[in-house]
Amino acid sequence: DTGVSQDPRHKITKRGQNVTFRCDPISEHNRLYWYRQTLGQGPEFLTYFQNEAQLEKSRLLSDRFSAERPKGSFSTLEIQRTEQGDSAMYLCASSPTGATNEKLFFGSGTQLSVL
Amino acid sequence: QQQVKQSPQSLIVQKGGISIINCAYENTAFDYFPWYQQFPGKGPALLIAIRPDVSEKKEGRFTISFNKSAKQFSLHIMDSQPGDSATYFCAASGYSGTYKYIFGTGTRLKVLA
Repeated sequence: DTGVSQDPRHKITKRGQNVTFRCDPISEHNRLYWYRQTLGQGPEFLTYFQNEAQLEKSRLLSDRFSAERPKGSFSTLEIQRTEQGDSAMYLCASSPTGATNEKLFFGSGTQLSVL
Repeated sequence: QQQVKQSPQSLIVQKGGISIINCAYENTAFDYFPWYQQFPGKGPALLIAIRPDVSEKKEGRFTISFNKSAKQFSLHIMDSQPGDSATYFCAASGYSGTYKYIFGTGTRLKVLA
């Protein structure tokens, strides 16, 4: 169990640029989540994948955001035309598939700063 | 109805003391209540979790107390240590097409040596 891996750990970009983050979940986990966390707040749900299918998207996920999970393995989160309000920690989490809710394992996150 | 309210926002405790953090929820469909610990620059890590069929769960120095009728649950950290200084988040989850977690706003705990 190598844990949930996220890359990069930090990203500084200028407003208007596109950025892409990658998440590698724990290998046997079929469920994958993206969360966003701003300073002093709890993580906020963005989107959820069951294998390669994106089953839920939060209304926080504007049309500038897109997430994919090809082949049900790693996932990417892309933000187009970044805005200063996008500055946050983007967290990926995974959990095993089961009949009920399961423990959620988080990565260390990608800290995005939009200048 | 999807919110989880957490208090206090910050907490200072002497070493050896008891730290208590409280959470309340509205959605009765929630059936899994974890607590997460987060250190600066790290992702949240699961500390302890409870389901509503029990009123208390203890793991080492950490205890969750759960009051189903009041829709409240709390984390107790016994014999608090400086290494416990971190931000703690409660969360709730229930099936709504997915099992996404709804997190509280966090409690920043500082344990004085």
